Amino acid sequence: DAKTTQPPSMDCAEGRAANLPCNHSTISGNEYVYWYRQIHSQGPQYIIHGLKNNETNEMASLIITEDRKSSTLILPHATLRDTAVYYCIVRVASSNDYKLSFGAGTTVTVRA
Amino acid sequence: GAVVSQHPSRVICKSGTSVKIECRSLDFQATTMFWYRQFPKQSLMLMATSNEGSKATYEQGVEKDKFLINHASLTLSTLTVTSAHPEDSSFYICSARGSVAGHYYEQYFGPGTRLTVT
Repeated sequence: DAKTTQPPSMDCAEGRAANLPCNHSTISGNEYVYWYRQIHSQGPQYIIHGLKNNETNEMASLIITEDRKSSTLILPHATLRDTAVYYCIVRVASSNDYKLSFGAGTTVTVRA
Repeated sequence: GAVVSQHPSRVICKSGTSVKIECRSLDFQATTMFWYRQFPKQSLMLMATSNEGSKATYEQGVEKDKFLINHASLTLSTLTVTSAHPEDSSFYICSARGSVAGHYYEQYFGPGTRLTVT
């Protein structure tokens, strides 16, 4: 699976949109982009995933560039409870027998 | 989303003893379960993958005789840390993925178990 690169940390203001970048320049055409987050001392929580098109759900939006070499997770109105480590992961879409491998992620701190 | 539970949430054991951690999928049948380990300020590291009724597949560097995994049913997997030592103290997280008629669900994670070996 392709490797991802994320900034180690970022701060954002409560109530503002948080834009989390992820580079996956070696991504293949059959690989999904997944986002999970981990709040301190809890298990990871699924956020969103996409292949080519932008995606939106009740938690966030995922913007994937046209060349698919990078993506941005958008938390539209960050709250203090969104403080967590956010992981961007790519995995092969064509395989049902996949394993999720976690990198270092981005530590996001939402400040009042 | 699907719910995965773990028990216990915290456990303290003495060096040399064994401890068992349970992972359950509460509202779906988990054909595949995963066990991860996470040390302080580090990311999750995959230890092993198990399919229901089959032997677990361990990642490189993980001792299969030390970390015994049983996935005897579609809703339960257990991880037994045998002859635990202080260096086994860690946050253990299970994950489960189900499938119906060839369609695979996303991978959902349990809340984790904090193991402290004294």
